[in-house]
Formats: sequence, structure tokens, C-alpha cells
Amino acid sequence: EDQVTQSPEALRLQEGESSSLNCSYTVSGLRGLFWYRQDPGKGPEFLFTLYSAGEEKEKERLKATLTKKESFLHITAPKPEDSATYLCAVLPSNTGKLIFGQGTTLQVKP
Amino acid sequence: DAGVTQSPTHLIKTRGQQVTLRCSPKSGHDTVSWYQQALGQGPQFIFQYYEEEERQRGNFPDRFSGHQFPNYSSELNVNALLLGDSALYLCASSLEPGGRKTFFGQGTRLTVV
Repeated sequence: EDQVTQSPEALRLQEGESSSLNCSYTVSGLRGLFWYRQDPGKGPEFLFTLYSAGEEKEKERLKATLTKKESFLHITAPKPEDSATYLCAVLPSNTGKLIFGQGTTLQVKP
Repeated sequence: DAGVTQSPTHLIKTRGQQVTLRCSPKSGHDTVSWYQQALGQGPQFIFQYYEEEERQRGNFPDRFSGHQFPNYSSELNVNALLLGDSALYLCASSLEPGGRKTFFGQGTRLTVV
């Protein structure tokens, strides 16, 4: 069964304290792995799509990497405005539906 | 580019009633998917529409139905509302059903009382 697990569930950082969020997945053929940012009460905001193991993508303080079993979202020198829930999702090759993890809620304190 | 737009943003309904939610996809996108997100959980896939047909369905009862119009916009209908249907309903659009860039709307917050 296709499945996505994110860890930790919650993460508290001080401003400037770098860290990583983990997304482990099992899928019968990966068409893409997605990262989204979601603010409270809002829809998910697209960040990255990764397609194959070894791929990396960057956007401002965020860098996403992909292996055959997991993806990491690295946050370098975070700021309070980076506080949000980060969602990971996989798109299996035989379907058009995204399968989401439960998310990691990040709080960055000044 | 307006992105994916949903209406209404908030809705309060009584148990047993019916509700219709609306979605306009991002410009150029022809595929619309609907997701349900309970508090503290990741979104769960309800169904996907492409070429005005339901192409794929998640594990949701028949009380959940939808429609896609020729201009690619879509509706989600839920009949006989239950308290457990209270959630954030998200519309997503992509270019083709297996689109590798899927964008979400801001969601409709449905509260069933």
C-alpha cells in the first residue's frame, strides 16, 4: 500500500537554528514527490516537485532532497515567517491522486 | 494569473442538509481534484475530474459527488451531511490527470452542526 510518513510531527526552532524535516515513503512507482507549505486555515502552497533519487531543489532558505526511500526538507537559518505546517505528498505512477503525510508543524521563535 | 479559486470560503450547515462547493482551476489547467482535510491531518483524496468525467475516486461514500463543466470548473456536492464531514475542502488543479505540478486553492471550511 502506498504510504507517506513525516517526522517529527512538530518542531520548535530558534531563529537561525537550521534543521531538517523527514518524509519517508513507500510507493509502487514514483511519478513525483511534492512539498507544500500550509498556513493555518489556508490551502497548501506549492514548494517543490522532485522526480528521481539524487535530485535537489532550492528556494530561499529551503532545500529539498530525494532518495529512493525518503525526502528531506532542509531549512537553513530559519526566520519566524517560516513557521507553518510542511506537507509531503507522493504521486504514484499508476494514479492521479496525491498521497499526503500528516505534516510537520514548524515553529520558529525570534 | 488568479490561481485556483474556491467559493465559498466558509460555510455552516445543519446535519442532514446538502452542500455544494465550487472551484475554478488555474488558467490552462484541465484537471480538477478534490481533497478533504480534517484538523491536524494531511489532505485525503476524494475524486478527480478530467474531460468532464470522474476519472478516479478515493475511499469516500456515494454521498460525495461532483461535476466538471466545459470550462474546467468543478463542483463538489455532499448530501445528508454528518458531523464528521466538518473539514477543510481543498480543490487542486493540474495540467492532465498525472500532472507533476498540482496547485491548491485556499479551501472551503465546512462546519456541520
